[in-house]
Amino acid sequence: QKEVEQNSGPLSVPEGAIASLNCTYSDRGSQSFFWYRQYSGKSPELIMSIYSNGDKEDGRFTAQLNKASQYVSLLIRDSQPSDSATYLCAVNRGTGGSYIPTFGRGTSLIVHP
Amino acid sequence: EAQVTQNPRYLITVTGKKLTVTCSQNMNHEYMSWYRQDPGLGLRQIYYSMNVEVTDKGDVPEGYKVSRKEKRNFPLILESPSPNQTSLYFCASSLAQSGLAGALNTGELFFGEGSRLTVL
Repeated sequence: QKEVEQNSGPLSVPEGAIASLNCTYSDRGSQSFFWYRQYSGKSPELIMSIYSNGDKEDGRFTAQLNKASQYVSLLIRDSQPSDSATYLCAVNRGTGGSYIPTFGRGTSLIVHP
Repeated sequence: EAQVTQNPRYLITVTGKKLTVTCSQNMNHEYMSWYRQDPGLGLRQIYYSMNVEVTDKGDVPEGYKVSRKEKRNFPLILESPSPNQTSLYFCASSLAQSGLAGALNTGELFFGEGSRLTVL
């Protein structure tokens, strides 16, 4: 069973709209959750981390965590063409007392002018 | 500048010819890891290291070796490369920080620029 699930997309939104990216995970013991952005041919870059239930906002980005339902989402407000990328969800699972991140396969976002 | 440096960035080699991809970080991070990324399969962890002289297998370790003799370096070794190891490889590092119940949080990863390897 895949541990971290994301819709592969592509998710296409018009410029200025809100893009909503979702991620579900299977390990109820997961403690830390991350969103990475990866432009085509480039390395992943951390954009948000969230550790407790609720919302966390950073500029145009909002991460939302619901541990009871085992999902984490990323909202991008006022989407720009430069936001077009693949967004990777990562979840820390417990392994022998240390927490190693597991990645979803990513959701491709296209923001069109 | 804080960074993770991988070399080589691009390499074409032939089956069976041993190669090493180097990875070095200048952030004094305890945790380092190697991933491979293939279309449709996402990032898959090959090996990771929680600190010097401590390494563990990830999800796809077959055909790879690693070592961690110094904190800053974590080379990936392909003893006898095969075409199914053609991939994009990323090295990543992170602080190992105490979290809930004393566990170590290693999720805020810094990635190298990637090494594109082709095995013919």
